[in-house]
Amino acid sequence: AQSVTQPDIHITVSEGASLELRCNYSYGATPYLFWYVQSPGQGLQLLLKYFSGDTLVQGIKGFEAEFKRSQSSFNLRKPSVHWSDAAEYFCAVAPVSGAGSYQLTFGKGTKLSVIP
Amino acid sequence: KAGVTQTPRYLIKTRGQQVTLSCSPISGHRSVSWYQQTPGQGLQFLFEYFSETQRNKGNFPGRFSGRQFSNSRSEMNVSTLELGDSALYLCASSTGLRETQYFGPGTRLLVL
Repeated sequence: AQSVTQPDIHITVSEGASLELRCNYSYGATPYLFWYVQSPGQGLQLLLKYFSGDTLVQGIKGFEAEFKRSQSSFNLRKPSVHWSDAAEYFCAVAPVSGAGSYQLTFGKGTKLSVIP
Repeated sequence: KAGVTQTPRYLIKTRGQQVTLSCSPISGHRSVSWYQQTPGQGLQFLFEYFSETQRNKGNFPGRFSGRQFSNSRSEMNVSTLELGDSALYLCASSTGLRETQYFGPGTRLLVL
């Protein structure tokens, strides 16, 4: 069965510092890959997605992610964190094949705190 | 374009009752998916509806059911509520053609 691991439950960074959130997946074949962000009391907002092609994906709010097939990883990065980035971040995968809208399998999330 | 809306936003029920949650997708979207979010289990897929038909289903008991109307609005029903059903229920809409899913703000259900 597919699974997604986000090894860091909680990360604290200083404003202006760089950020990397880790995501590893276990899947039979390379799936579709996503990063979502959830602010307190809110739904999920898509930051970026990887379907195929260039392994470095640019997203919204200055985020990027790199797909590494050999490591089954899809880490999220941001060069300079802003206080407004404090939120919970979820990595998700979905099968490439199959009918309909893809069924997302999520990691447990990484909560990001930002120190002024 | 308006986003995904969910009603109600908050709900308190007691064990044994049933509850119905509603989701209105983005205009033009025909697929609605439902997810349950709990601190222990995280985000889990419940089911997906497309053009009034259930197309995919997650690993949840039969107490969890849903339906979709001709205008693509969807409802989710949970019967015989248990304490463990307390969760944030999120719905997401998409065109249904393996495109991006857009999530609503969720309905927070508390079962006492």
